[in-house]
Amino acid sequence: QVQLVESGGGAVKPGRSLRLSCAASGFTFNTSAMHWVRQAPGRGLEWMALIWFDGSNKYYPESVQGRFSISRDNSRNTLYLHINSLRAEDTAVYYCARDGDGWTSWGQGTQVTVSS
Amino acid sequence: EIVLTQSPGTLSLSPGERVTLSCRASHSVSSTHLAWYQQQFGQSPRLLLYGASNRATGTPDRFSGSGSGTDFTLTISRLEPEDFAVYYCQHYGRPPFPFGQGTRLEIK
Repeated sequence: QVQLVESGGGAVKPGRSLRLSCAASGFTFNTSAMHWVRQAPGRGLEWMALIWFDGSNKYYPESVQGRFSISRDNSRNTLYLHINSLRAEDTAVYYCARDGDGWTSWGQGTQVTVSS
Repeated sequence: EIVLTQSPGTLSLSPGERVTLSCRASHSVSSTHLAWYQQQFGQSPRLLLYGASNRATGTPDRFSGSGSGTDFTLTISRLEPEDFAVYYCQHYGRPPFPFGQGTRLEIK
């Protein structure tokens, strides 16, 4: 079955960087576009990044342009999100999700906490 | 940029009741790319409906969706205990893939 497993979260100080990973299995990863979505404590869902199946195109909301970078390694079936210059407002659970007609597959999330 | 507004914010209901949740878009959107998700406390979102009215695999038939243009609804015909959760609508046609702010269903 489809499985997405995020990792790489943790407690970090403001201004630092972090790389999140999402290990995919159970489907043909190299034909699927992928997303990152975050959820701040007690808040709703917020889309963070999209990467095409082959990595040729990447999209971000304006709010994180220049600080967030999505990438993928199709040989390792792994999706990444690199976050620079972390801020307190980046504190959230970060989910990866598989693109499709509706986003059917989501990981369990990885918690990122930014605090001095 | 499309903004999705869900109403109400919170609903207190009893098992067995029927409920309709609303999702209103700031501009007309294609129903082809309108989805509804359910999120239980502490869990990941789960796709319920896509294309406004198509049930995802595993979605019980008590869940139905409708709408077009700027107004969309999710209806649960008869609430089961496991339906008390937060529901989000989303337009997934193109970036920035907005989500509504969510509607919380609480047990009365």
